[in-house]
Parts: sequence; structure tokens; C-alpha cells
Amino acid sequence: QSALTQPASVSGSPGQSITISCTGTSSDVGSYNLVSWYQQHPGKAPKLMIYEVSKRPSGVSNRFSGSKSGNTASLTISGLQAEDEADYYCCSYAGSSTLRVFGGGTKLTVL
Amino acid sequence: EVQLVESGGGLVQPGGSLRLSCAASGFTFSSYSMNWVRQAPGKGLEWVSYISSSSSTIYYADSVKGRFTISRDNAKNSLYLQMNSLRDEDTAVYYCARLFRDFDYWGQGTLVTVSS
Repeated sequence: QSALTQPASVSGSPGQSITISCTGTSSDVGSYNLVSWYQQHPGKAPKLMIYEVSKRPSGVSNRFSGSKSGNTASLTISGLQAEDEADYYCCSYAGSSTLRVFGGGTKLTVL
Repeated sequence: EVQLVESGGGLVQPGGSLRLSCAASGFTFSSYSMNWVRQAPGKGLEWVSYISSSSSTIYYADSVKGRFTISRDNAKNSLYLQMNSLRDEDTAVYYCARLFRDFDYWGQGTLVTVSS
């Protein structure tokens, strides 16, 4: 199972909005509403930010939102803040045996 | 508070073995499926293995199938990963992660280095 495709990097200024795309196939992103997004700061464990395409866990800011269209999922961060600077990974259910496939990660820089 | 604490990482030669452990607390461990996810240095995340709450269902990534064995002891609130025939490309930080609303809790990770 190939990894999902994400841009290597995105950037934005404080207060702006950015969107990170995550492109899969009809065997993963396109077939299941089980896309999640993780934030990872350097040297830290990943943190769940979005699950089931667009749901936010308790405690995650409503500045983070998720969506999906066809084989592509997206994470949007509005009102960028300095602490949002991190790596972001998308993840999708990919069938019962593969279970989960991750994207290659996107480095977000807050200018 | 949910806590997952991995241990057992270290330096091992190619072809060697290592057993990782993950101690869980703050939730009813026996009610949740668990996973191992790894991250090679400077690289992205890779799902490694899944085990259901009762150990009745187990899955592995193709990259580790036949070499790694996942297990759990619900009485000890612990998850394990037995890694055999280790290769250079298995070098990574290994995280245990609870699967509920996707991977909702992660441990801090334990580093496995495979090198001669």
C-alpha cells in the first residue's frame, strides 16, 4: 500500500489560513470516511487533531477543520498561530488487513 | 489521565531480536484495540501492527510480517512487540497508540537502532 501524498511544506503568516491536502486512492481515502490528521512537534509524539474526516477531539481548537472530496482530504488551519508550526500527517483506513496508511507529512512554517 | 509508556528499545545488530513493551494506565486497557506505529529518523509515520482488545484479531504491515509479533496481557495492562530478524530499515522510534477515535493516544516512543 503506497503512502498518501501530501505537500512537503506549506507556510503562512500569523492570522492567515492554510490548507494541507492529502491525496489517496479509491482504495483508501476515496472509499472510507476514516481520515485523520496528526500534529507532531519536533521530538514529540503525534497528536490527534481530526478524526473521521472532520471531527475534532475534545480540547482541539476549532481553528482546525477537515474535509474530503473524492480521493483527496484536506486540513485547514485558520487564524494561524506560532504554536501551529509543526509537521502534519494525514492517515486513512485502507482495508482490514492494511488497516491504516499515512501520508508523508507536511512541514508547516508560520512566517 | 491516559498514559502509554514504551520501553525496551536500544541498539541491536542486524539479524538480532528485541522486545518492546508498552505500559498503559488511566483507562480500561482490556476494552481497546492497540497498535504499534514507527517513525524512522527524519521520516514519516508508518503503521506497524494492530491487536484487538481480546487479541482475537491481529494485523501486520507487509514490511514486518513474519518477523514481528504483537501481543498483549490485559491483566498487566501491557502491550508488546517481539521483533526478530531485525534489519537496518527497522531503525525507528516505535510508538504504541490506542485506537478509538483513530489513534487518539500515543506514548512518547522508544528508539530502536539496528546497526553493526
